[in-house]
Amino acid sequence: SQQGEEDPQALSIQEGENATMNCSYKTSINNLQWYRQNSGRGLVHLILIRSNEREKHSGRLRVTLDTSKKSSSLLITASRAADTASYFCATELLGNQFYFGTGTSLTVIP
Amino acid sequence: EAGVTQFPSHSVIEKGQTVTLRCDPISGHDNLYWYRRVMGKEIKFLLHFVKESKQDESGMPNNRFLAERTGGTYSTLKVQPAELEDSGVYFCASSPSGGGFEQYFGPGTRLTVT
Repeated sequence: SQQGEEDPQALSIQEGENATMNCSYKTSINNLQWYRQNSGRGLVHLILIRSNEREKHSGRLRVTLDTSKKSSSLLITASRAADTASYFCATELLGNQFYFGTGTSLTVIP
Repeated sequence: EAGVTQFPSHSVIEKGQTVTLRCDPISGHDNLYWYRRVMGKEIKFLLHFVKESKQDESGMPNNRFLAERTGGTYSTLKVQPAELEDSGVYFCASSPSGGGFEQYFGPGTRLTVT
């Protein structure tokens, strides 16, 4: 079974709209991280939220973490065409293992 | 500062052949991870080195996969003999010592086994 699952699998929005992606996980974590992958490239770290944090911001990104529901969300505000990519959540478990979700493919239409 | 590099970027081999993937982490990063993504599926953890030691290899699919990190610098991942289901993108990542840090990923090696 997967430690991390993302929802939706694919999302298509107009430029300027907000995009929200969700991630659910199964076991206790140290932290949760969001990564972006542009087509054909490696993953790029976006933001890290620790298990004792509930919300974090970075530019147009807002991440929330609800450890009671074992879920996190990534909100991208005022989306741009350049935000088109796949987004993955990754959970770092208590033993420092990392597990990634299946990813959300975001398409921002200019 | 140079990022994580991987070689080759693409490899096409026939079933039964051997392939060796290489990862050069960011200098000074003790942690080195290997991941694999099969088309359309999640990114799966393969193993984790701390310096030259295998900290966790629970994700290695079977004994056809051998990872090494001699000297605690670069790492190699050998697949021998390769099977069709080994096709996918193999990512390497590194991070500083300890936990709670972001991982820096390489561009990946796309392996196709025919």
